[in-house]
Amino acid sequence: DARVTQTPRHKVTEMGQEVTMRCQPILGHNTVFWYRQTMMQGLELLAYFRNRAPLDDSGMPKDRFSAEMPDATLATLKIQPSEPRDSAVYFCASGLVPGFLQGYGYTFGSGTRLTVV
Amino acid sequence: QKEVEQDPGPLSVPEGAIVSLNCTYSNSAFQYFMWYRQYSRKGPELLMYTYSSGNKEDGRFTAQVDKSSKYISLFIRDSQPSDSATYLCAMSLDTGGFKTIFGAGTRLFVKA
Repeated sequence: DARVTQTPRHKVTEMGQEVTMRCQPILGHNTVFWYRQTMMQGLELLAYFRNRAPLDDSGMPKDRFSAEMPDATLATLKIQPSEPRDSAVYFCASGLVPGFLQGYGYTFGSGTRLTVV
Repeated sequence: QKEVEQDPGPLSVPEGAIVSLNCTYSNSAFQYFMWYRQYSRKGPELLMYTYSSGNKEDGRFTAQVDKSSKYISLFIRDSQPSDSATYLCAMSLDTGGFKTIFGAGTRLFVKA
């Protein structure tokens, strides 16, 4: 089965440190999403890319978060400096558009569980 | 008020029970309605998908959309312990699936 691969699975870091999360989308998918999941807010969309171009990153705190897609096999989400309130599970998801209309939806990775102390 | 409201549960049922999971929404422009299942420590996975109003059945799962009431449901028949997970409703305005809005998720426990 094709899958979205996220690394690292877990990350504990101190406040103020830089954190980089990586995602390998499914080969052939042209749309990549970054979501953050917390108990309080549920799943929140941070940013998404289509054909590697950023389409919307309005969900991200611009001063500390950045998302890039240097090539079709790698998407990154960076937090600098990290803060305790950034503690959450960060999911990457990829999908094929068009194709979503046929119900393919998104395929999510297993997430990066980030703890900022 | 959130665009999509979903009771977080938890919902605990005995094996074999019929489970009803629901979401309400406020934006009448939503056209695409989805249910995702999320096991502990895993990412959500697409379970079912419907377009506009109506029902859709897939094995033990039935999804219903009532756009006039802005209400969607997922029914699970003959529930199994393996159905224990968090179920998230999701909805989207457009064919690209961009800006899909997720509900908070309902935690379901099916007791053997």
